Amino acid sequence: AQSVAQPEDQVNVAEGNPLTVKCTYSVSGNPYLFWYVQYPNRGLQFLLKYITGDNLVKGSYGFEAEFNKSQTSFHLKKPSALVSDSALYFCAVRGRYNFNKFYFGSGTKLNVKP
Amino acid sequence: DTEVTQTPKHLVMGMTNKKSLKCEQHMGHRAMYWYKQKAKKPPELMFVYSYEKLSINESVPSRFSPECPNSSLLNLHLHALQPEDSALYLCASSQVNSEQYFGPGTRLTVT
Repeated sequence: AQSVAQPEDQVNVAEGNPLTVKCTYSVSGNPYLFWYVQYPNRGLQFLLKYITGDNLVKGSYGFEAEFNKSQTSFHLKKPSALVSDSALYFCAVRGRYNFNKFYFGSGTKLNVKP
Repeated sequence: DTEVTQTPKHLVMGMTNKKSLKCEQHMGHRAMYWYKQKAKKPPELMFVYSYEKLSINESVPSRFSPECPNSSLLNLHLHALQPEDSALYLCASSQVNSEQYFGPGTRLTVT
């Protein structure tokens, strides 16, 4: 079965500091992994994805994620957080047998303090 | 253009009403999705259309009825809803094997 876990309900970081939002996955075969961000009363916005290739993936708004096969992780990172990065972040994995089914993590609320 | 549009933005309906939610995309995506999302929770998949055919129904109650009139449009027909159906309803689209693009959602309140 495919699944992702986000172990932290909330992450607090000061503006200007680096941020990490954690995601671990459980899939059979090669995972297709995604990060999305959701601002209040909005839909989800795609940030980045890992399909294959370089383990460090760069995405929108200065975010990047590192795919680590040995640790089955796909953590989202940003070198310098902005207050405007405060939002709800979801990790997702595509289904192995049904390519149109995506499994979302429980979400992590990122709070960036000025 | 990476936009998915949804109408209406807000909807309040009684338990005996019939209403419809609409979704549109012009990115040429051949997969379209309906999700239900409760506050601070991940989206829950309801339906998937692939090449205008229903490919996934996640055991959704029959009071929700999806329709895909063409490759750009997706509707969700609502009838005899319950208060617990109040939620944010999100539409998304994607190419096969690729990321999803979400609309802003319809905030539904059932009274």
